[in-house]
Amino acid sequence: QVQLVQSGAEVKKPGSSVKVSCKASGGTFSNYVFSWLRQAPGQGLQWMGGIIPMFATATLAQKFQDRVTITADESTSTAYMELSSLRSDDTAVYYCARDHYYYDSSGDYVGVPGLFDSWGQGTLVTVSS
Amino acid sequence: EIVLTQSPGTLSLSPGERATLSCRASQTISNNYLAWYRQKPGQAPRLLIYAVSSRASGIPDRFSGTGSGTEFTLTVSRLEPEDFAVYYCQHYGSSPRITFGPGTKVEIK
Repeated sequence: QVQLVQSGAEVKKPGSSVKVSCKASGGTFSNYVFSWLRQAPGQGLQWMGGIIPMFATATLAQKFQDRVTITADESTSTAYMELSSLRSDDTAVYYCARDHYYYDSSGDYVGVPGLFDSWGQGTLVTVSS
Repeated sequence: EIVLTQSPGTLSLSPGERATLSCRASQTISNNYLAWYRQKPGQAPRLLIYAVSSRASGIPDRFSGTGSGTEFTLTVSRLEPEDFAVYYCQHYGSSPRITFGPGTKVEIK
């Protein structure tokens, strides 16, 4: 089973950016989809976007298309999420998660996107002046 | 985008009791792409059920899912201490379809 370890908590000023990392171990990295989700205090879950590291192309939720960048480094099995122009309502726990969806050696996609079977521990990002 | 609503908002029960949680979709969910997660306080969610009724790896058989179309149910047959948590239903599939319900909190009565 893959393990996902995220970077530590961050405190940021409004208007700045934050970059959160998610290091995978114990499983395949390059051909799986890794997604980012967030959870505001006392609220539900919101999918932000995902990436297949081997293709290095991210798919983003419409709400985040102008402020979120998702990247991955295959050499270190680490995915990243950068959120810019931070506002107070971006205060949330940010999670990385692995989709039960991957690109296999025969050139097909296996599974269904958006089903999250492994999660990081979460990273609290606090936006405050 | 399909909107999911969950009821009740909070369920107060005792250990050993049966919990029945509901999830309603604003449109018919195709391909049975409906999942349930449990989130304990201070932890990440954990996948319990996918494809309406299939248990994820390592999930005990006290968890079961049923439903079709727009109405879905998660049942926990006998609540264990670790089951007092928040439960989310989720619609999955390609990116515009990844949505979560607002959650149902199962608390100790």
